[in-house]
Amino acid sequence: NAGVTQTPKFRVLKTGQSMTLLCAQDMNHEYMYWYRQDPGMGLRLIHYSVGEGTTAKGEVPDGYNVSRLKKQNFLLGLESAAPSQTSVYFCASSYALRTEAFFGQGTRLTVV
Amino acid sequence: TQLLEQSPQFLSIQEGENLTVYCNSSSVFSSLQWYRQEPGEGPVLLVTVVTGGEVKKLKRLTFQFGDARKDSSLHITAAQPGDTGLYLCAGFTTSGTYKYIFGTGTRLKVLA
Repeated sequence: NAGVTQTPKFRVLKTGQSMTLLCAQDMNHEYMYWYRQDPGMGLRLIHYSVGEGTTAKGEVPDGYNVSRLKKQNFLLGLESAAPSQTSVYFCASSYALRTEAFFGQGTRLTVV
Repeated sequence: TQLLEQSPQFLSIQEGENLTVYCNSSSVFSSLQWYRQEPGEGPVLLVTVVTGGEVKKLKRLTFQFGDARKDSSLHITAAQPGDTGLYLCAGFTTSGTYKYIFGTGTRLKVLA
């Protein structure tokens, strides 16, 4: 069972470069989320989606954009990377709003 | 503002010892979840507590939700090296807007 798959797993960017992180889930979940995890901060919600074609801002949305063109995919974009965006990014999905969230393995992003 | 504070932040104990991890907030949560995260992996759900005062057991792990639904605890009996990991609490606030918050995390290391 694939569950939630994130690509890439590691990436190093130079300040000002752009990139897109891809999240794919095969559980037919309506809800998908992007979090970032920093030491001592837990996980913080960047953006989320409650269904295909919808997106909403989370706790720390600045500097990121997302798209949910297909139900199974949720893309996170960084238009102009900054060192403050160095973090581990996790995608998650859930069947409904208050049900168990399943997480991907994470993407470790370093911006130099 | 971090709404869910976990303590301790770090814990290193010997195999066979007992331990308790706390998750505290000044806000009321409609439910709280506990996750365990291993290095290089995403968080995996351990349990969900919903009712104030609720106690759930998962083998050697005992989870309790505070009567006022503002706090929770995780107690591990006779810890084993396999319990090593990052423990995260998370919960939905009872405010009108969607807000799923993760705690700051407790990093546990159990020494053989």
